[in-house]
Amino acid sequence: QITLKESGPTLVKPTQTLTLTCTFSGFSLSTSGVGVGWIRQPPGKALEWLALIYWNDDKRYSPSLKSRLTITKDTSKNQVVLTMTNMDPVDTATYYCALFMITFGGVIGTGAFDIWGQGTMVTVSS
Amino acid sequence: QSALTQPASVSGSPGQSITISCTGTSSDVGSYNLVSWYQQHPGKAPKLMIYEGSKRPSGVSNRFSGSKSGNTASLTISGLQAEDEADYYCCSYAGSSTYVVFGGGTKLTVL
Repeated sequence: QITLKESGPTLVKPTQTLTLTCTFSGFSLSTSGVGVGWIRQPPGKALEWLALIYWNDDKRYSPSLKSRLTITKDTSKNQVVLTMTNMDPVDTATYYCALFMITFGGVIGTGAFDIWGQGTMVTVSS
Repeated sequence: QSALTQPASVSGSPGQSITISCTGTSSDVGSYNLVSWYQQHPGKAPKLMIYEGSKRPSGVSNRFSGSKSGNTASLTISGLQAEDEADYYCCSYAGSSTYVVFGGGTKLTVL
């Protein structure tokens, strides 16, 4: 069974740096074709893709947020960490991590966010 | 403003069929067969319903189907059921620079 779970602070102050951890089980981020992505959703608003990291350490970022984001992985701990600098109240949102698999080396992927974590709500306020 | 355009809301009666459109550009939907659709119930995480435009993951009802024409992808739900009432989001690969874009979401109401 594949599961993902987000963790991190529920409240951060403006200008601070947010660090979120995605801890997963049921798959390995060292397997070809496997990736983990971050997506956020402000209250009552749409989903917004933030970042993605692959098994081979290839990293992709939303162009509009690239300067503020860093995504890393710790394969031995089954974790992916997202940091976002210079937080602002408009960054208040539920942050999700999700499994993303591409077709590679004989492994068939969906090219989509297959399984999602439950999400973690982050409020930015002084 | 989201990169992909969806209607804000659609509605239908139980048993009917509805279609949700997702309009992009030749840089995303129109160029790649990598559109996915997600269902999100209130307070819950999104769930993958369709990938690669028209494929269903295991366990997803065959009442859900996807298609694409030009720069517009569509999700059709047939035989509407009360449990289908939710928000639906489309998503597309958008090339190596932009990479992933989502639609603004569509609220489906089952009357």
